[in-house]
Amino acid sequence: QVQLKETGPDLVQLTQTLSITCTVSGFSLTTYNVHWVRQPPGKGLEWMGAMWNGGGTDYNSAFKSRLSISRDTSKSQVFLKMNSLQTDDTAKYFCARHSTYYGYNSFDYWGQGVMVTVSS
Amino acid sequence: DIQMTQSPASLSASLGETVSIECLASEDIYSYLAWYQQKPGKSPQLLIYAANRLQDGVPSRFSGSGSGTQYSLKISGMQPEDEGDYFCLQGSKFPWTFGGGTKLELK
Repeated sequence: QVQLKETGPDLVQLTQTLSITCTVSGFSLTTYNVHWVRQPPGKGLEWMGAMWNGGGTDYNSAFKSRLSISRDTSKSQVFLKMNSLQTDDTAKYFCARHSTYYGYNSFDYWGQGVMVTVSS
Repeated sequence: DIQMTQSPASLSASLGETVSIECLASEDIYSYLAWYQQKPGKSPQLLIYAANRLQDGVPSRFSGSGSGTQYSLKISGMQPEDEGDYFCLQGSKFPWTFGGGTKLELK
């Protein structure tokens, strides 16, 4: 069955770099796109960026040049890397599979998320 | 960016009551609208996509409607397991954006 699982640190120091891995199973990264979404505690969701099945990427400009998404298809893994972390980057980070049922975009499967706290 | 204004922010419903949640987009999103339910500490679950199409396995008491800039999610007959947070997602234009969420509680 389709599964996504994020692994990463619980705590990151201020101004340091966050690295999270999304390991997927039940589908191929060369067939489906995978996105990253985050949710600060008690707040709404924010789309961060996408890894397209063809290997390209798209980013939310809100993250400017801090964010990088890459993948290793042989390991079925998608990577998020974000530098210069600030306290407002404290959030739960999710990876999610992009679906295009009937041509309409949504996320049909999500990982359980990893809660990252940025500490000073 | 497309702004998604979701209302209400919270509501309380009695068992069996019909509930409606609205999302208003700042521009036409051509039915590229999905609805999600999220329980505490869990990942979001897709309920509705393409504004009105029910995801497989989702109870038929959930329905979606709308077009253009106005969309709504209806729960016809509130059940205890429907408690949680609900939010909309527009997938029409990047960056994809979410509504602010609605916290639904059983009265």
